[in-house]
Amino acid sequence: GENVEQHPSTLSVQEGDSAVIKCTYSDSASNYFPWYKQELGKRPQLIIDIRSNVGEKKDQRIAVTLNKTAKHFSLHITETQPEDSAVYFCGANQAGTALIFGKGTTLSVSS
Amino acid sequence: SAVISQKPSRDICQRGTSLTIQCQVDSQVTMMFWYRQQPGQSLTLIATANQGSEATYESGFVIDKFPISRPNLTFSTLTVSNMSPEDSSIYLCSVGAGFINEQFFGPGTRLTVL
Repeated sequence: GENVEQHPSTLSVQEGDSAVIKCTYSDSASNYFPWYKQELGKRPQLIIDIRSNVGEKKDQRIAVTLNKTAKHFSLHITETQPEDSAVYFCGANQAGTALIFGKGTTLSVSS
Repeated sequence: SAVISQKPSRDICQRGTSLTIQCQVDSQVTMMFWYRQQPGQSLTLIATANQGSEATYESGFVIDKFPISRPNLTFSTLTVSNMSPEDSSIYLCSVGAGFINEQFFGPGTRLTVL
């Protein structure tokens, strides 16, 4: 089955800096790679995703890149703000199957 | 996206008892899943709830401990049986469409076992 590794487990940045979180996956059949943001006491919320036929996707300050050959994908957050502080999870799956998640990254943005 | 609700939102239970968690969606969905999130941990898949047939469990989870029902395309239940303090977690249902990959999460049920 799928196995997703995520690094780093914690990340501290200054407001305005960039943050990068990296994930690798094991199943070459996986074709969908989302990122979720989970604030304390809340449910995980989908913030951006990428499919295997695309190498990069951007939405305002966040972007995701995918390297299918190397089986890794990354989340990039630019111009970080204190409200970006949360736990971020990467996931992977193929259509019709459940998402498998990495262990999460706690991002702290200090002002 | 679908509106997903869970009941109860939280509960405190005694060891040895069972709790049934309900997940209700406001529209028909192909896929429903149950996850567990232990304190400070990631989302671990318990099982896929299949409509009209038995759930498909992940390694480490068994039907006797976590029986699941899915009587229709908008509703599912997860029972945590014979609970111990190690079962203290947040339990989340998640829904998706079979032909696309996106999944959305319910608000979760915070379970504490004493």
